[in-house]
Amino acid sequence: QVQLVQSGPEVKKPGASVRISCKASGYTFTAYSTAWVRQAPGQGLEWMGWISAYNGNTKTAQNLQDRFTMTTDTSTSTAYMELRSLRSDDTAVYYCARDGATVATAHYDYWGQGTLVTVSS
Amino acid sequence: HSVLTQPPSVSAAPGQRVTISCSGSSSNIGNNYVSWYQQLPGTAPKLLIYENSQRPSGIPDRFSGSKSGTSATLGIAGLQTGDEAVYYCGTWDTSLSAVVFGGGTRLTVL
Repeated sequence: QVQLVQSGPEVKKPGASVRISCKASGYTFTAYSTAWVRQAPGQGLEWMGWISAYNGNTKTAQNLQDRFTMTTDTSTSTAYMELRSLRSDDTAVYYCARDGATVATAHYDYWGQGTLVTVSS
Repeated sequence: HSVLTQPPSVSAAPGQRVTISCSGSSSNIGNNYVSWYQQLPGTAPKLLIYENSQRPSGIPDRFSGSKSGTSATLGIAGLQTGDEAVYYCGTWDTSLSAVVFGGGTRLTVL
């Protein structure tokens, strides 16, 4: 069965960086893109970007382009995201999700369990 | 403010049918597929509808989706207390070159 398992919670100080992993299993990792979506406490969903595990192409939300990087390791079927220069408003649960579509859309059919990132001095 | 507009809350009695609207524009809903998600408290979102009206395997046919012009609608029939959750619509926005979500609608089953 398809599973996405994310790394554990993080507590970071403002200005630091955070790296989250998302290990996929149960499907051919390189056949799907992986998206990243975050959710601040009590707030809605915010799309961050996606990465093709096939060719490494990425698409990033404009407001994060300077601080956000996505990578994949096809040898371990793992996707990674890194967010730099953390601010308090980056405190959120970060999700990875499998992109089930072949066209640009919000078709995320499997999700990781979420990783809480707390940014606090 | 979200690019896609959803009502903050809806409510209905068990067994009834409820609809949740999602309003956008020609740059998003009008020309792209819409998906719907259910988020139960403390859990990850779950895909309910994709490509406007398609249900993934395992999603009961009590859940339905439709799209007309620049708006989309999620319908939930035969409401159960377990349907209490926040529901989100999402789609691609061609002008923003980004995925956009609605602000979410909290469903209460009275």
